[in-house]
Order: sequence, then structure tokens, then C-alpha cells
Amino acid sequence: AQTVTQSQPEMSVQEAETVTLSCTYDTSESDYYLFWYKQPPSRQMILVIRQEAYKQQNATENRFSVNFQKAAKSFSLKISDSQLGDAAMYFCAYRANAGGTSYGKLTFGQGTILTVHP
Amino acid sequence: DAGVTQSPTHLIKTRGQQVTLRCSPKSGHDTVSWYQQALGQGPQFIFQYYEEEERQRGNFPDRFSGHQFPNYSSELNVNALLLGDSALYLCASSLLSGPRSRGYTFGSGTRLTVV
Repeated sequence: AQTVTQSQPEMSVQEAETVTLSCTYDTSESDYYLFWYKQPPSRQMILVIRQEAYKQQNATENRFSVNFQKAAKSFSLKISDSQLGDAAMYFCAYRANAGGTSYGKLTFGQGTILTVHP
Repeated sequence: DAGVTQSPTHLIKTRGQQVTLRCSPKSGHDTVSWYQQALGQGPQFIFQYYEEEERQRGNFPDRFSGHQFPNYSSELNVNALLLGDSALYLCASSLLSGPRSRGYTFGSGTRLTVV
């Protein structure tokens, strides 16, 4: 079974600085996707960034980037120029490329609470 | 373009009762998945519906059942409620034939409290 581990229950960062959230996963699959989701107090899970396992290049979305190490099964999220609005719970998630009649379930980590100090 | 809509937003039930939660997927999506998120934890997959059939199921007892309607909306039913069923229930939709990298669109969830 696939597992996703986030070893940092809480992280904090000063506004405008950079912070990195860690995630490791375990799978025997070779074709899969990795995601970082943000969950603010509004509770809605918002997609921050995605990475396809077969792509060597690390994904980047504006101030958000990932460090994807496939051999080490590591998928960290770097947030640059942190803003107060970045404060939220962040979840790392895995999904196998199921294909066929299944879209594939998401397996989530335990989450990391990010606090941004002004 | 409406996102995922869930109702109700909050619900309080008594142990032993039954509850039905509802989800309308994002316009254009045909697959609905349900997740249970206990306080301070990551969401856990309950099941997924496509073409009105359950396609995948997580490690949840038969007390948890679902349904998908022809308009792609979905219901999650939980029978014989336990205190441990208290959680945020999230609905997520997707398009099966769409790019697999897209991921899901989530609703804001239903907060269920069992007393």
C-alpha cells in the first residue's frame, strides 16, 4: 500500500522569507502523480502544485516549487517570498495513474501547519 | 463555472442515527470521490463513483454507502453513527477522461458531529 509521510507537524516563517515543507512517500508503482494541497480555515482543499513522476523537471508555480527526488521518494515544497495568505495546513498527496474506470484515490500525508509571521 | 458544492455545511447527529451528505460536482466532471478527515489529520479515502457505480473503496465499513445520480451528483450515507464518525467529510470531483495530471476539485466539506 502507498503511504505518504509529512514529518513536520508545524512550521513557521517570516513574511517575505522562504520555507520548505518535507514529504516522503512509499510506492511500488512507477507511474504516479504527486500533489501539494493547501487547506485554509475555509476547509476547501486547494491544489498548489502537481508533479508527474515521469517528468524529471521539478514543477514550479509562481512562488511555489518542488524538489522531486524520485529515487529517494521525496517531494518537498518550497514557498518563496512567503505571504500572510500562505498560512494554512499543507498536505502532500499521492495518486497512482490508475487508468481505465478508476481515477485513482488520493493518499494524503498527515499535514503540516504553516504559520506566517508579519 | 460552479465548483464542488456540498450540503449541509454542518450537521449534528446522535449515536445510532443515520445521515446523508450531498455533493454536486464541478460542472463538466463525471467522477465523485468522498474523503473523511478527522480533526488535525489528512483526509482518508472512502469511495469513488463513476457512471453511477462504486469503482474504488477505501478501508471503511459497510455502514458507509453511497450513490451517484445520472446528473453526476452524489450522496454519502452513514448508518448506525458512532462517535468516531465525527469528522469533516470532503467531496472531490474529476473528469475521468480528462488529463490525469489535473487532480481533483474539492468542496468545502460537511462537518459532522456525532453526540
